[in-house]
Amino acid sequence: GNSVTQMEGPVTLSEEAFLTINCTYTATGYPSLFWYVQYPGEGLQLLLKATKADDKGSNKGFEATYRKETTSFHLEKGSVQVSDSAVYFCALTQGGSEKLVFGKGTKLTVNP
Amino acid sequence: GAVVSQHPSWVICKSGTSVKIECRSLDFQATTMFWYRQFPKQSLMLMATSNEGSKATYEQGVEKDKFLINHASLTLSTLTVTSAHPEDSSFYICSAFSGRRGLMNTEAFFGQGTRLTVV
Repeated sequence: GNSVTQMEGPVTLSEEAFLTINCTYTATGYPSLFWYVQYPGEGLQLLLKATKADDKGSNKGFEATYRKETTSFHLEKGSVQVSDSAVYFCALTQGGSEKLVFGKGTKLTVNP
Repeated sequence: GAVVSQHPSWVICKSGTSVKIECRSLDFQATTMFWYRQFPKQSLMLMATSNEGSKATYEQGVEKDKFLINHASLTLSTLTVTSAHPEDSSFYICSAFSGRRGLMNTEAFFGQGTRLTVV
């Protein structure tokens, strides 16, 4: 079945450091890929998404490129801020379904 | 953006009692809502799909008699954990999609989650 594997955290960085959170997936066909973020005390929010191969999703300085050849959707940000501290979830849906399959989540802490 | 409100945010109950968790879409109608469960350091696992006006669809391994789902209106779904036991302690999250199904511009909106502790 479909699955998502993302790097385990926690990840601790200093402000302005470069961030990469790896995400790979297993799915048949062409899933849609998502990154969700959960700030402390809040619900999950969509950060970015990509619906087909080679698409790049971007938002708030974060980027992720849908790589069909490596079945990956790594999240990157060139310069993190303290306010980026949160838990990040990689997820997919497939075949027009609204069912989301999530990775385990990666907790990011950014120190001033 | 659309808002999904989940209540309560946390609850402690005694073993054997039942607990109801509400999930409301505040500014949009949701014919379908989803209930997830999250264990510490684990992924969100889909428990069931709540369908307005019809029975919920449960994922494999989820006891439908234990986790009762009611979706009586287009803005409210409830999850009732019946005869709760300590192993039911977990973080429960609901979500709803805003937008027309099947279109790429639909987006899932999530409630804040409910931390259930059964003692």
